[in-house]
Amino acid sequence: AQTVTQSQPEMSVQEAETVTLSCTYDTSESNYYLFWYKQPPSRQMILVIRQEAYKQQNATENRFSVNFQKAAKSFSLKISDSQLGDTAMYFCAFTVTQGGSEKLVFGKGTKLTVNP
Amino acid sequence: EADIYQTPRYLVIGTGKKITLECSQTMGHDKMYWYQQDPGMELHLIHYSYGVNSTEKGDLSSESTVSRIRTEHFPLTLESARPSHTSQYLCASSEIKGQGVKRAFFGQGTRLTVV
Repeated sequence: AQTVTQSQPEMSVQEAETVTLSCTYDTSESNYYLFWYKQPPSRQMILVIRQEAYKQQNATENRFSVNFQKAAKSFSLKISDSQLGDTAMYFCAFTVTQGGSEKLVFGKGTKLTVNP
Repeated sequence: EADIYQTPRYLVIGTGKKITLECSQTMGHDKMYWYQQDPGMELHLIHYSYGVNSTEKGDLSSESTVSRIRTEHFPLTLESARPSHTSQYLCASSEIKGQGVKRAFFGQGTRLTVV
């Protein structure tokens, strides 16, 4: 089965501090894409960062970076200098190919609260 | 950022009514998806489409149906709404380019309440 596991249902961090959200996944594919999506309360889901599995270099987007460990099938998200606007649900996801079909599979999400 | 729109944003409707949730995207994407999400919970894929006249059921069984007559439009229909259908429905689209979903764009969602 192709699955995504986010082991931290909820996390909190103080403003300006750093927080790391965990994600592990399971796939037999050799090439795939991994994503972190952010869903603020009552707002649209938006892409935070994306990693191509064949690239060894970890992706970064401003304050957001990932630690991609392909052998361990781990894809954690680090948020530096946390801001109040970072409060949201964060979903880890990756693409899977099943029976010739290609889909995005999501984890259960981590609810992040940034405290002032 | 994303040119994908869902209407209505909120819908409260009585049991037994027929409803259609609209989803449109102006990016020319071939792939479109419907996810069901309970508040604060994970997303479950219920339908997807690879293009016009292509529709497939997702991982989570759903009594809803979809159609894809035009590339930009992917409506979801419930013939007879029930309280168990109360949930948030998210529509998404992505390009087919090479291997792997490059990026999915999401609509703002429709929060459906069946009373």
